[in-house]
Amino acid sequence: GAGVSQSPRYKVAKRGQDVALRCDPISGHVSLFWYQQALGQGPEFLTYFQNEAQLDKSGLPSDRFFAERPEGSVSTLKIQRTQQEDSAVYLCASSLDSGVADTQYFGPGTRLTVL
Amino acid sequence: TQLLEQSPQFLSIQEGENLTVYCNSSSVFSSLQWYRQEPGEGPVLLVTVVTGGEVKKLKRLTFQFGDARKDSSLHITAAQPGDTGLYLCAGEKVRDNDMRFGAGTRLTVKP
Repeated sequence: GAGVSQSPRYKVAKRGQDVALRCDPISGHVSLFWYQQALGQGPEFLTYFQNEAQLDKSGLPSDRFFAERPEGSVSTLKIQRTQQEDSAVYLCASSLDSGVADTQYFGPGTRLTVL
Repeated sequence: TQLLEQSPQFLSIQEGENLTVYCNSSSVFSSLQWYRQEPGEGPVLLVTVVTGGEVKKLKRLTFQFGDARKDSSLHITAAQPGDTGLYLCAGEKVRDNDMRFGAGTRLTVKP
């Protein structure tokens, strides 16, 4: 596909379960971003990769959140021991170059519901 | 407290009306972007402004970046039902490495 894809689109987890969310960026895009969007809010920055290097993870809310991009393309956001407050839409975006102000193309998001 | 405050939070108008939404901050931004997001989808970039005082037009949409690069506005002329959506502003702070979003303005245009 031509755009950013994310899977699964919807995920329901029981509190305490681990989840893994996948992002397939646009081919050739250097930068990849993860955001968390709570209901009725704007996206909140989580972490940023330039190729395989995680340059900024200041937005990850706790050490239960972990992201990787081992080969500089596909990225996985893992949440361990999920809690109800983790319920949100998780958005992934990619951009061609390394500048943050470069156009970011967003995927449709994964809606995570923790029961 | 959000870094970027957007107002109004909700706006419901009739087709054909004009409207302005605002994005304000006490911080200076090296660039500011406006996005539109529809339910079940990710935000889609509308415009990027980088110069204080800059005005950009995109058909019926006019975007303005404040002179001090702390605020921005989006004006829509003759709104149409297809303009319905969540409008988000996002800014890259000077010497920062990530982009911060406002909470958005949810616009509904009734036919």
